[in-house]
Amino acid sequence: GQQLNQSPQSMFIQEGEDVSMNCTSSSIFNTWLWYKQDPGEGPVLLIALYKAGELTSNGRLTAQFGITRKDSFLNISASIPSDVGIYFCAGLTGYALNFGKGTSLLVTP
Amino acid sequence: ETGVTQTPRHLVMGMTNKKSLKCEQHLGHNAMYWYKQSAKKPLELMFVYNFKEQTENNSVPSRFSPECPNSSHLFLHLHTLQPEDSALYLCASSQVLPTGGIDYGYTFGSGTRLTVV
Repeated sequence: GQQLNQSPQSMFIQEGEDVSMNCTSSSIFNTWLWYKQDPGEGPVLLIALYKAGELTSNGRLTAQFGITRKDSFLNISASIPSDVGIYFCAGLTGYALNFGKGTSLLVTP
Repeated sequence: ETGVTQTPRHLVMGMTNKKSLKCEQHLGHNAMYWYKQSAKKPLELMFVYNFKEQTENNSVPSRFSPECPNSSHLFLHLHTLQPEDSALYLCASSQVLPTGGIDYGYTFGSGTRLTVV
C-alpha cells in the first residue's frame, strides 16, 4: 500500500492545551480519514474529509484536507484526559484504506 | 448486537494449533476486511472481501486463510503460525458505493489479541 507519514510520533501535553498533528503522503488521495484508537479497542472514525481544501469540525476536533490532496492535519482544542489514545490518519484508494503509523497522545491532568 | 463484533477477544495458541477468528457485522455493509496491527507498524491490510468475493490479498502467507460465507460474516482460519504472527487482528466493514468509493470510512471491531507461543 501507499506510505503515509504521520507526525509527531508521540505527544505528551497538559490538560487544556491544544494539539496539532499531521499526515503527508507522496500519493494523492480522494478521501482522508482520522481515527482514534483506545487501548484494547479498534479504531473509531473521528472525521472524514472528501474534498481538497475542506475544513471539518467535530466538537473540539478540526481537520483539513490539504489542497494538494497529499496531506491532512488534525487539531484538538482544549485537550482533556479522555483524549488519550492513538490517532491515525488514513487515505482512501478505491475502497482500500492506507494508514499512517499513528500519533500517541498522552494528556496529564 | 450492533456494529462489528469480533470473537474471541484474546487467543493464545501453539505453533501447531489450528484456530479461527470470527467477525460479524450488523451494519448492512457489503465489504469486509482483515487488518493486522503490530507494535510500531501501520495497520496492514490482509484481505478484502467485496460482495463476498475476495478482491485483494496483500501477499499474506498461506497459513492465514480467510472465509466469507456471506456479506455479514468473515472468518480468518489460522494454522501453523509463527511467534511473529502475534498481533492484534482487526476486522472492519464498509459500504462500497457504485462509484467504487466508500461511504463514511470503515467501522472496526475491537480486535482479537493473538499470541503465538
